Amino acid sequence: TQLLEQSPQFLSIQEGENLTVYCNSSSVFSSLQWYRQEPGEGPVLLVTVVTGGEVKKLKRLTFQFGDARKDSSLHITAAQPGDTGLYLCAGKAERGIYGGSQGNLIFGKGTKLSVKP
Amino acid sequence: ETGVTQTPRHLVMGMTNKKSLKCEQHLGHNAMYWYKQSAKKPLELMFVYSLEERVENNSVPSRFSPECPNSSHLFLHLHTLQPEDSALYLCASSQDTLSSIPYEQYFGPGTRLTVT
Repeated sequence: TQLLEQSPQFLSIQEGENLTVYCNSSSVFSSLQWYRQEPGEGPVLLVTVVTGGEVKKLKRLTFQFGDARKDSSLHITAAQPGDTGLYLCAGKAERGIYGGSQGNLIFGKGTKLSVKP
Repeated sequence: ETGVTQTPRHLVMGMTNKKSLKCEQHLGHNAMYWYKQSAKKPLELMFVYSLEERVENNSVPSRFSPECPNSSHLFLHLHTLQPEDSALYLCASSQDTLSSIPYEQYFGPGTRLTVT
């Protein structure tokens, strides 16, 4: 069974601080996505990484896919209150949940980030 | 209206009630999904539809019954639910399902369901 473990589970920081959240697995994923979910809303895609060692930047957010494609990290520089939310990583399963041909997304439990002004 | 919409946003129902959740996508996508989001658990995939055909059923109890009458609409019919079914039910859509790289999934805001 492919699982994604996210850490930390909760993170509360002051505006302007830097932070890193992690997404780890013992399984290899062909690609990995990061989503952010704000209260009362559904998750919104931030980035997709597909190549081992890949680094992608989105303004103050830096995403890295591990060389072995088993882990990923999200680093936020100079966090702002608007970064508050639940950060979810999701990996594309090797095959459908019940062995079907579709490769569906497996989600981690998420990191709940609170950035205080 | 754009994106993925879900109604109702909040629902309280008794264990003997029958209700339905509705999802509509205005993105021209071919695939639609139902997820369950509970506290302290990862997002759980429930059902996947591709071009109106169910392609995944993630061992969901029969008290949850999906319906996809066309590629823009998805329903989740609920009957004789249990209190542990209380959760946020999210609908999503994507361009398609088959790809070596996952298509972006666009989520609706969810229906917060409470079973009393």
